[in-house]
Amino acid sequence: QKEVEQDPGPLSVPEGAIVSLNCTYSNSAFQYFMWYRQYSRKGPELLMYTYSSGNKEDGRFTAQVDKSSKYISLFIRDSQPSDSATYLCAINTGTASKLTFGTGTRLQVTL
Amino acid sequence: NAGVTQTPKFQVLKTGQSMTLQCAQDMNHNSMYWYRQDPGMGLRLIYYSASEGTTDKGEVPNGYNVSRLNKREFSLRLESAAPSQTSVYFCASSVRETQYFGPGTRLLVL
Repeated sequence: QKEVEQDPGPLSVPEGAIVSLNCTYSNSAFQYFMWYRQYSRKGPELLMYTYSSGNKEDGRFTAQVDKSSKYISLFIRDSQPSDSATYLCAINTGTASKLTFGTGTRLQVTL
Repeated sequence: NAGVTQTPKFQVLKTGQSMTLQCAQDMNHNSMYWYRQDPGMGLRLIYYSASEGTTDKGEVPNGYNVSRLNKREFSLRLESAAPSQTSVYFCASSVRETQYFGPGTRLLVL
């Protein structure tokens, strides 16, 4: 079993839709949870960061962590074509800041 | 601030050739990383350096060597390239748990 599982998609939604992206993880020692966004042919960039169960909001983006279920989610409200990218979840155990990444979900927001 | 820079952007090698991928960061971060990204495999850690003068293996270190030249620079060397090393390589640096990535090097080994 992989430490972090993520549905690769692709996921296609119309502009304005609410998008839900999800990851599950197996190691309860994971403490920090991140979402990275990667545009085509670019490096990943940090989108959201949280270290506790519950929700964290930043504009149209909400990160949700449920440590009891080992489940993390990213919600995008009012999705825009500029949100079209691959979204990677990343989890950290706190060891030398090493991250374990999901495989990424490719999102396409259509006009 | 340029952040994390990588050179070259793109490289074609023949099997058996060697090359060094360069990475530099200007954010005064202690930790630096090298990843490879392949379709369906996500980002996999090759080597990392928690601080200047130290390096450690990641998930997929075979066929690679690294040098942490100073606090700013962390290079990745392929001594004898193989087609299985065709990939996109990303360098990253971090402050605490947050990693910042470079733009990547696309490597094709024929």
